[in-house]
Amino acid sequence: EPEVTQTPSHQVTQMGQEVILRCVPISNHLYFYWYRQILGQKVEFLVSFYNNEISEKSEIFDDQFSVERPDGSNFTLKIRSTKLEDSAMYFCASSEGGQGTYEQYFGPGTRLTVT
Amino acid sequence: AQTVTQSQPEMSVQEAETVTLSCTYDTSESDYYLFWYKQPPSRQMILVIRQEAYKQQNATENRFSVNFQKAAKSFSLKISDSQLGDAAMYFCAYTRGSRLTFGEGTQLTVNP
Repeated sequence: EPEVTQTPSHQVTQMGQEVILRCVPISNHLYFYWYRQILGQKVEFLVSFYNNEISEKSEIFDDQFSVERPDGSNFTLKIRSTKLEDSAMYFCASSEGGQGTYEQYFGPGTRLTVT
Repeated sequence: AQTVTQSQPEMSVQEAETVTLSCTYDTSESDYYLFWYKQPPSRQMILVIRQEAYKQQNATENRFSVNFQKAAKSFSLKISDSQLGDAAMYFCAYTRGSRLTFGEGTQLTVNP
């Protein structure tokens, strides 16, 4: 069964450093998402991406975040200058369509630790 | 803004028994979708069940069913014949388009 994959599974970085989290969505999916979950808290939407552009973003997704689909398979989340509060689990998801009828399939997540 | 509230941080159930997890939400929209996601210790989010707001019939998936009360903005999940593998964090979620809004989660423990 097709699945969303994410690398790395765990990333440790120092405050102020740039990190890139990578995701490979399911191949025939057209919509891509990033969510984050700070330990012990709810899952929060960051951004959705369709047709090579951001279709929606939350207030969390400020100028230090960016997303890109550099080729036909990868979908990346870049954090330019990490802060301690960026420590969280980051989930990538993909779906065939952009409406609620289409299930969002989640990857296993990348645990980001900022020291 | 839409909000989703799960008022039960923790629940426990005996194996083979039935448990109900509660969820309420706030929206001014009439068309939307509601979901229950399961997050086991592996942390991966797995869709359990989905409900379209325009459908009056409650969704069911094997041992999982929902009680959708649109007027009350309530969306509870019933797990019948609970199994040890059902132990996980359960999140209620809402969407009207692509963005999923999640509740705080309910940690379900299944006792043998």
